[in-house]
Amino acid sequence: GAVVSQHPSWVICKSGTSVKIECRSLDFQATTMFWYRQFPKQSLMLMATSNEGSKATYEQGVEKDKFLINHASLTLSTLTVTSAHPEDSSFYICSATGTSGLYEQYFGPGTRLTVT
Amino acid sequence: QQQVKQSPQSLIVQKGGISIINCAYENTAFDYFPWYQQFPGKGPALLIAIRPDVSEKKEGRFTISFNKSAKQFSLHIMDSQPGDSATYFCAASMRNTGNQFYFGTGTSLTVIP
Repeated sequence: GAVVSQHPSWVICKSGTSVKIECRSLDFQATTMFWYRQFPKQSLMLMATSNEGSKATYEQGVEKDKFLINHASLTLSTLTVTSAHPEDSSFYICSATGTSGLYEQYFGPGTRLTVT
Repeated sequence: QQQVKQSPQSLIVQKGGISIINCAYENTAFDYFPWYQQFPGKGPALLIAIRPDVSEKKEGRFTISFNKSAKQFSLHIMDSQPGDSATYFCAASMRNTGNQFYFGTGTSLTVIP
């Protein structure tokens, strides 16, 4: 149980285009979803926290107009990287907390974004 | 400010040996301390977790030791195997902040056959 999927697993896009990454909780309802960014050999950096039906809360330094987060249902959250640039290339990981698991976060497999 | 400090940054252990990774925190309001294992190109996977009302938790070859007074906790991997080679992250959270996790900087573990 407690499986989180991400789609796509990797994506290559051209500079200036937008990319959408989906995060789904497959077997539980996710009241809260988190989006992280991870650079090679570094820790996870929290970008934003989203609760179903409400606006995401962004961490300091994360551009909300560039990283659009939508948490439209209890099983789906999306991250859209708008007007992507090479410096946005990174590994993006989502996680989710269920309605019963008040402590655990379940992580998705990650999405590798490369902007050329 | 790093809420959770993790050491060492990298660790090399012989097969069959014990791997020990340490973490320290400052905020006494933290009430949940998980350890995650991450393989290259994959998302982190929950390995084992502990709450501050116990001093030790063991699951198979993995043990968390928790010292509340010292505000430290550690992961012990007994009988380390080459398949354990991965990056390990400790984390801390408190329920009243919406379960936000504060991650350590990670430890790259290599188990030599």
